[in-house]
Amino acid sequence: DAEITQSPRHKITETGRQVTLACHQTWNHNNMFWYRQDLGHGLRLIHYSYGVHDTNKGEVSDGYSVSRSNTEDLPLTLESAASSQTSVYFCASNSDPLEKLFFGSGTQLSVL
Amino acid sequence: AQSVAQPEDQVNVAEGNPLTVKCTYSVSGNPYLFWYVQYPNRGLQFLLKYITGDNLVKGSYGFEAEFNKSQTSFHLKKPSALVSDSALYFCAVRDRGTYKYIFGTGTRLKVLA
Repeated sequence: DAEITQSPRHKITETGRQVTLACHQTWNHNNMFWYRQDLGHGLRLIHYSYGVHDTNKGEVSDGYSVSRSNTEDLPLTLESAASSQTSVYFCASNSDPLEKLFFGSGTQLSVL
Repeated sequence: AQSVAQPEDQVNVAEGNPLTVKCTYSVSGNPYLFWYVQYPNRGLQFLLKYITGDNLVKGSYGFEAEFNKSQTSFHLKKPSALVSDSALYFCAVRDRGTYKYIFGTGTRLKVLA
C-alpha cells in the first residue's frame, strides 16, 4: 500500500547542530507540506512544495529549509537547531488541492 | 488572511450523548473546510470536507459537519459518542490563493464511560 513515512520517530540533538528530518511518500503526490505541532498553536506550516524543484515558505519558516529533488521526498533541515524548535514535526502530501492531506506519523524533536 | 478558530480547548461528553466540536472560519470567497482527527502518537487522519453543495457533510466513523455560511461556522457533530472517539480534533481551511491548509489550534474531545 502507498504510504508516507517520516524518520526518525524521535530525535534528541544539541543547540547549534544541523538536523535533517526525512519524509518519503509513495503516492506520487505533487504537493508536500511540513508542519510543526505545539500546544496552544495547533499545526503551523513551515515549508511546502508543489513539485520537483519547487519550494515555498510557510508561516514559521525561519531557521528551516527544504529541497525537492524528486517527487517522493521532501527533507526538512534545521540549519542550526535552537531550543525553540523542540516540537513534533509532521509531513503531509496530496495530489489535488481539494483533496485531503495524508499525514506521516510525526517526528518528535528535542533540542537541548 | 484566512483563518479558523476552535474556541474550546476541551470538550467532555458522556458516552451515548451527542457531541459537537465547534469551528468558525474567516475567509474571502467560498471556503474549503476540513476536519481531521489525531489519536495519540499518530498523524492526523481525514474525517470530512466541505467544498460545495449540501450544508450537511457526512464523513468517517459516523461524524458529520454542518456548514453555516451566515454564522461562518463548520461544527463537527456525532449523534452518539463513543469512548473510542476520544482524540484531538482539528478544523482546517484551504487558502484559495495557494494550496496551503490553515489549521485551528485543536479541540481535545474526551468521551466519558
